[in-house]
Amino acid sequence: SQQGEEDPQALSIQEGENATMNCSYKTSINNLQWYRQNSGRGLVHLILIRSNEREKHSGRLRVTLDTSKKSSSLLITASRAADTASYFCATDARGAQKLVFGQGTRLTINP
Amino acid sequence: NAGVTQTPKFQVLKTGQSMTLQCAQDMNHNSMYWYRQDPGMGLRLIYYSASEGTTDKGEVPNGYNVSRLNKREFSLRLESAAPSQTSVYFCAIGALGFTGELFFGEGSRLTVL
Repeated sequence: SQQGEEDPQALSIQEGENATMNCSYKTSINNLQWYRQNSGRGLVHLILIRSNEREKHSGRLRVTLDTSKKSSSLLITASRAADTASYFCATDARGAQKLVFGQGTRLTINP
Repeated sequence: NAGVTQTPKFQVLKTGQSMTLQCAQDMNHNSMYWYRQDPGMGLRLIYYSASEGTTDKGEVPNGYNVSRLNKREFSLRLESAAPSQTSVYFCAIGALGFTGELFFGEGSRLTVL
């Protein structure tokens, strides 16, 4: 079973609105990462948050991590058409020696 | 600076045929990985190589073999392809193993008939 589960599976919003995606995981982690995948392309790293961090910002991205609830959220503010993509969380579970990806959230930004 | 280069980009095989997917990097990272991506399944780790000369199984290694030819190259071989191996395969590299950012290739789309 997947370590990371994203919610929702699909999200469609208007350009300029904020988009929030959530990720839940099952075991203790060292860090959690978010990646973006444009259609037909490889994954691109967006941001990494360590288990001792609660919030991190990068440009229009804001990531939060709640280790007590084993969950993370990715907020994209002031969305643009170019943000249309699938977004994946990935967790580095302690002792697991692997980076496990969730199934992704498919985000569509409507002009 | 291409980063991670995968070949071929597309391949169609018949059941039972063999093939090798090639991955080469120019970022001088130690760790290299092969993932497969299937609809609704996310990415699943097939094999990885933490450093030159070592390889380890991931979540779904059955039906695959790998070779870490040198620090730059990591190949994935399907000895006898099956329709269940129809997928998009991604090679990734990392400097800090599983604790850091991974850089992905553009993918190899494989169809097994």
